[in-house]
Amino acid sequence: QKEVEQNSGPLSVPEGAIASLNCTYSDRVSQSFFWYRQYSGKSPELIMSIYSNGDKEDGRFTAQLNKASQYVSLLIRDSQPSDSATYLCAVNSLGTGGFKTIFGAGTRLFVKA
Amino acid sequence: EAGVTQFPSHSVIEKGQTVTLRCDPISGHDNLYWYRRVMGKEIKFLLHFVKESKQDESGMPNNRFLAERTGGTYSTLKVQPAELEDSGVYFCASSQDYSLTDTQYFGPGTRLTVL
Repeated sequence: QKEVEQNSGPLSVPEGAIASLNCTYSDRVSQSFFWYRQYSGKSPELIMSIYSNGDKEDGRFTAQLNKASQYVSLLIRDSQPSDSATYLCAVNSLGTGGFKTIFGAGTRLFVKA
Repeated sequence: EAGVTQFPSHSVIEKGQTVTLRCDPISGHDNLYWYRRVMGKEIKFLLHFVKESKQDESGMPNNRFLAERTGGTYSTLKVQPAELEDSGVYFCASSQDYSLTDTQYFGPGTRLTVL
């Protein structure tokens, strides 16, 4: 079982719709969770971080965390063609050498104009 | 403020050759991380420096990989000798603090192709 799992997509949504991206993780002691956006050929860019159960909103983005279910999601409201990118879920977990950031393989999102 | 920079952006080498990748973190960031993404797979942690010291190198694939961070500024990652399976995108990231909640800023990556 992968440590951080995401549906690879592509997830295709029409412009103006809500895009819902999901991520599950296997390490119960994971403590912090991140969503990165990566355009093709570019570096991953942090768009949301969440550390406690519940919802966290920032503009059109909402991150949702459920530690009991080991599930984190990202909602993008009013999706725009410029949101088309790969979205990476990342989890920080404590290990023997400190903490590590573990990434999912990413979900490709395509927003149709 | 300049972001994380990496050099070169692309490198194409033959199997058995040596390649050195460079990363310049954001000024003042003590923490520097190397990651690798093999095509179709997830970004995987390689190692973490705090200043010039290796905090965690548990992700380094084998002893053909050598990372250094002289003086706690820029870092290099050398692959010697390169093998076909080393192909991928090598990302560097830096952060100011070492905490579970600190933001890591990524560089644009170096795309390595081993023929």
